[in-house]
Order: sequence, then C-alpha cells, then structure tokens
Amino acid sequence: GAVVSQHPSRVICKSGTSVKIECRSLDFQATTMFWYRQFPKQSLMLMATSNEGSKATYEQGVEKDKFLINHASLTLSTLTVTSAHPEDSSFYICSAPKDYEQYFGPGTRLTVT
Amino acid sequence: GDSVTQMEGPVTLSEEAFLTINCTYTATGYPSLFWYVQYPGEGLQLLLKATKADDKGSNKGFEATYRKETTSFHLEKGSVQVSDSAVYFCALTLMYSSASKIIFGSGTRLSIRP
Repeated sequence: GAVVSQHPSRVICKSGTSVKIECRSLDFQATTMFWYRQFPKQSLMLMATSNEGSKATYEQGVEKDKFLINHASLTLSTLTVTSAHPEDSSFYICSAPKDYEQYFGPGTRLTVT
Repeated sequence: GDSVTQMEGPVTLSEEAFLTINCTYTATGYPSLFWYVQYPGEGLQLLLKATKADDKGSNKGFEATYRKETTSFHLEKGSVQVSDSAVYFCALTLMYSSASKIIFGSGTRLSIRP
C-alpha cells in the first residue's frame, strides 16, 4: 500500500499564534494532496487542493489567507493556520492519491485556547 | 448539490450479528461510490468501492451494491467481529481520477460487543 503521515498528531496553541501541520507521502510521490477538516460527529469537509509547484485551490468559504498551504515537494504539503482562534479547533486530515486511490493521513487534532 | 447521507450512529451490535449501514447519495452525474473505514487512532482506509450501477464492492466480508434506482450504497456484513469496531464513511466522487474530490457522509461509529 501507500503511507501518508501527518505531524504533529496533536497540538495545543494559544489564540493569535500560528500552527503548521505537515503531510508527507512516505513511499510515493504526490503532485496533488488534499486537506480536510472534520468537526465532531460530522463528515470530512474538503478545505483545499494542494498542488506541487503552484497555488493551492481553495473550496468556497475557506479563507486562503488564514489557511496557508504550501506544497514544497512531491512528498510534502503543509497547512499553516495563521492567527488561530478557538473556532479553528478541529481535526485536520490530509490525503494523497496514488493509482486512483486516496491515502489518508492519521489526522492532526488542533486545540486553540 | 452533490451529497452523501448515511445513518447516524453510534451503532452497537453483538459479535456475529448482521450489519447494515445505510447510505444514500445525491449527485448530478454518475458518481463512483466508496466506503472508507477509520480504525481508532488511524487514518481513513478504503474498504470497498463501486464505479458503476449494479457493481458490488466487497472486502473483508463487507459488501455494498451500487443501486442507481434507489441512489443507495448500503454497507452489509453477515457476521461482525469485535475487530470491525470503527467509524465507517460512505463517500462519492464524480470523476474517478487521482485528482478527484471526495464528498463524505457524516460517518457511522460501529461498536461490536464480544
């Protein structure tokens, strides 16, 4: 199979600070990665599509200046939550496609105090 | 718009019971349908898929049939095990390619009692 990792798995930060979440494809390359947000007892909501070498594509209603995405290499995409607020607390999940299947990271639990 | 609706959980069953998790969808085109499973502490994994009407996806004893007439993709298993305890997500994509967006249902938490 294919493995996607995320780091950190959990992070607690203070309101107003920025937090970076990494998504790595460990044994394959991915020109595209996806970032999702999951609220308790709700489905995964696609936030943006991360494209290696070009700008990310954001879904409607997602603030691109707040959720900065950088696809620095074929194995790494980062999501930075800038000036975090308590309402940004959530579970963030990334995925990367390989051979027409999506492989998901284990997720990052962000808590903003 | 395109959406997926699945039965709310949690669902609690005894070991060896029959399982059904209902899933219906709304889509403007001809979607591919998926069931993903998320075990505790792990990422989502593809459980099974069906890419056209009347296809049956199956894996690990689970089955789901793509029913276009009822826009459904219900997940079934004849005899569940404790190890099947997880959260199950029904999902669709409108274009079966690597860059396709996936639309998820809200997830159903399944707990199996020994």
